[in-house]
Amino acid sequence: GAVVSQHPSRVICKSGTSVKIECRSLDFQATTMFWYRQFPKQSLMLMATSNEGSKATYEQGVEKDKFLINHASLTLSTLTVTSAHPEDSSFYICSARDPTGRGSYGYTFGSGTRLTVV
Amino acid sequence: RKEVEQDPGPFNVPEGATVAFNCTYSNSASQSFFWYRQDCRKEPKLLMSVYSSGNEDGRFTAQLNRASQYISLLIRDSKLSDSATYLCVVNSPRDYKLSFGAGTTVTVRA
Repeated sequence: GAVVSQHPSRVICKSGTSVKIECRSLDFQATTMFWYRQFPKQSLMLMATSNEGSKATYEQGVEKDKFLINHASLTLSTLTVTSAHPEDSSFYICSARDPTGRGSYGYTFGSGTRLTVV
Repeated sequence: RKEVEQDPGPFNVPEGATVAFNCTYSNSASQSFFWYRQDCRKEPKLLMSVYSSGNEDGRFTAQLNRASQYISLLIRDSKLSDSATYLCVVNSPRDYKLSFGAGTTVTVRA
């Protein structure tokens, strides 16, 4: 079935540095990718929707200059957390939509990245 | 108002018990409904879709009530491995976005 590979699975960084998270669709072309953030005991919150070759659409309250999304190819989307602060520590998960409908009715999740900013 | 609301639980049940819980959604135009399972510090995984007529998958039964805008999940003969957080998920028909509930935590004890 459809597979999305997300890296790194865990990262610890110093406050003020930037962290890049990658999501790759391994066996399908992901025209749309979704980036979520999940704080402990809370639901997944959609941060942004990225479409290959165009600018990402950010949800209300998400700073586009802080969370840079690049979806330059049909198989790769990246999220860069710039100038990370401790409050950015969270679980970040990507989801790619397989237009052919495979994998959970078209939605396949990456395995998540646990970011800790110290 | 949140798009999807769930009883957070926790539901603490013995092995073999039946446990059921609901979620409500606010967008009456929603067309696709799912239950996902999320284990601690892992990504969510699809448990089952929810159909208008209700559907069953082994020990799991899902129901949809469009009039009242709620979805239910029932787990029969609970196993220790059923311990997890169950996420109610609704698909926006307009832009393919998924809206997640905060999850219902179920703990099955021996």
